Amino acid sequence: EAEVAQSPRYKITEKSQAVAFWCDPISGHATLYWYRQILGQGPELLVQFQDESVVDDSQLPKDRFSAERLKGVDSTLKIQPAELGDSAMYLCASSLDRSNQPQHFGDGTRLSIL
Amino acid sequence: AQKVTQAQTEISVVEKEDVTLDCVYETRDTTYYLFWYKQPPSGELVFLIRRNSFDEQNEISGRYSWNFQKSTSSFNFTITASQVVDSAVYFCALSAGNTGKLIFGQGTTLQVKP
Repeated sequence: EAEVAQSPRYKITEKSQAVAFWCDPISGHATLYWYRQILGQGPELLVQFQDESVVDDSQLPKDRFSAERLKGVDSTLKIQPAELGDSAMYLCASSLDRSNQPQHFGDGTRLSIL
Repeated sequence: AQKVTQAQTEISVVEKEDVTLDCVYETRDTTYYLFWYKQPPSGELVFLIRRNSFDEQNEISGRYSWNFQKSTSSFNFTITASQVVDSAVYFCALSAGNTGKLIFGQGTTLQVKP
């Protein structure tokens, strides 16, 4: 089982609904990442946190996606309203810091939008 | 622009064969890091190796070995005497600058048949 905890593992919802994912990184890891992985492709960064601050959200569709890491520990990624094209695997990762240390990934949340 | 290309979409071998997974990268930064991750069917990306741009020494870890060549911008991964448990999707990734952000290739699906 992955050291980075994510929930839920699977989520099926209808378009226009709201959906939320949760991530608890490895203890002591200051940097947290959310990636989206479309089937058959490599993960793409959505948002990166350093402690509680966002350092990169350039690829986050801000009209419908939001992310927070209020206390600099666990994090939530939200989509509202969900669209069919949001169906993907959402992966959370953490690392000690931003100095290109290896990132450790969770098991991911597989999202299906009907 | 930074880019990672894994030209091999799928590879199928018979157990005990050696197999090499290719990775070609592009970056204008002189300092960068290269990674390989394994993604089994469960979904979690498992870290395998990290190399920095100043260290071109090849590395061997058990049945795994990596060949880093700056002259050809390649970071290839070889599995010797493959086993069924090696079946997974393998991703090569690049991180440049000091952001920690990973740029992934499209991945290579390796199937090892008994």
